[in-house]
Amino acid sequence: EEQLVESGGGLVQPGRSLRLSCRASGFTFGDYAMSWFRQAPGKGLEWVAFIRSKTHGGTTGHAASVKGRFTISRDDSNSTVYLQMNSLKIDDTAVYYCADSSGYYWGQGTRVTVSS
Amino acid sequence: DIQMTQSPSSLYASVGDRVTISCQASQDIKNYLNWYQQKPGKAPKLLIYHASNLETGVPSRFGGSGSGTDFTFTINSLQPEDFATYYCQEYGDLLYTFGQGTKLEIK
Repeated sequence: EEQLVESGGGLVQPGRSLRLSCRASGFTFGDYAMSWFRQAPGKGLEWVAFIRSKTHGGTTGHAASVKGRFTISRDDSNSTVYLQMNSLKIDDTAVYYCADSSGYYWGQGTRVTVSS
Repeated sequence: DIQMTQSPSSLYASVGDRVTISCQASQDIKNYLNWYQQKPGKAPKLLIYHASNLETGVPSRFGGSGSGTDFTFTINSLQPEDFATYYCQEYGDLLYTFGQGTKLEIK
């Protein structure tokens, strides 16, 4: 069964860092481009970052709202995609989801709360 | 960047009704459009890809149409489990912009 499992969320103070992980199983992870999305409380969905497969260069893209603060990366040997989040702001508070870039596979989400 | 305008933001309907949701892109995205369903506390579920292709396992009462800048999502004969929030999402420019969402509620 195909599955994505996020981890690493929690409560963090503004300005601090957090790294989210998303472990895949049940499909050939290395063949897939992967993305992170987020959803602030009571709000809609927002794309955060994507990373292409190594076959397609492994290039990345980040939303303007997180560019320069967040970095997406992947470790195909561990079927894991990461989101390094630095200089966190209160507005980054959200449930963060990883998904394959086709939108078919989604994780259950991990909650990040940025608060002093 | 491409902007996605989804309407209406909320919709009241009854079981058995037919409902339609619209999504307009600020520029031509060909057919690079997904439709998702999201229920409270859950991840989105992909229903329609490439504007009109029904994802495997999704009931045939769901449908999508359109290309270029104007898209439509339809549910025929609403079922109780269909009351949820629906989002369009473009992927023409790899920025994966979503519409604002449509909350479908029971009348």
